[in-house]
Amino acid sequence: GAGVSQSPRYKVAKRGQDVALRCDPISGHVSLFWYQQALGQGPEFLTYFQNEAQLDKSGLPSDRFFAERPEGSVSTLKIQRTQQEDSAVYLCAVGSNYEQYFGPGTRLTVT
Amino acid sequence: DQQVKQNSPSLSVQEGRISILNCDYTNSMFDYFLWYKKYPAEGPTFLISISSIKDKNEDGRFTVFLNKSAKHLSLHIVPSQPGDSAVYFCAASASTGANSKLTFGKGITLSVRP
Repeated sequence: GAGVSQSPRYKVAKRGQDVALRCDPISGHVSLFWYQQALGQGPEFLTYFQNEAQLDKSGLPSDRFFAERPEGSVSTLKIQRTQQEDSAVYLCAVGSNYEQYFGPGTRLTVT
Repeated sequence: DQQVKQNSPSLSVQEGRISILNCDYTNSMFDYFLWYKKYPAEGPTFLISISSIKDKNEDGRFTVFLNKSAKHLSLHIVPSQPGDSAVYFCAASASTGANSKLTFGKGITLSVRP
């Protein structure tokens, strides 16, 4: 929605594998957010970028999670040494004033 | 601790009737509230929002009411339509500069019966 695409849409990873999830917003969005949505829960904040600067990473659950947005547009969320509890939908959103518009998400399943 | 609570996991209403979805929050720093609608395999879609300086905001069939003293908000959908069947999330943010990260409730599954 609102010009945010995410890829892949689905990812199955073996435990211990590294994964990279991509968020590609239409140009012009300064604010970009990542959220994690576990089954049966609401989305939970992971990290926030203002252009290329990562201003808040307080929601990242461990140091296995890393996010970047080097040119202030496309963002990548990387998870190293995936574990079963990382299985969730990962949502990217762009901000406009106080509202946020979400992409379709990447469903990650760790087996 | 859950700062945004949607205590009813599901709601079923007849087509044409009113749907009332409730949400409570505990953090008094929250000053902007949003409702999102989510279909399976899609991201949440923004529906309607309200600032804490208001107590009501209306957009077509959707109205959000905010009771700050009770830390409670509700979404009214009138008349309800079968296409409204989805999961509805309440979300809140605090005005902390540019980082308006959202805190979500667990969602309510609305079913509108034809």
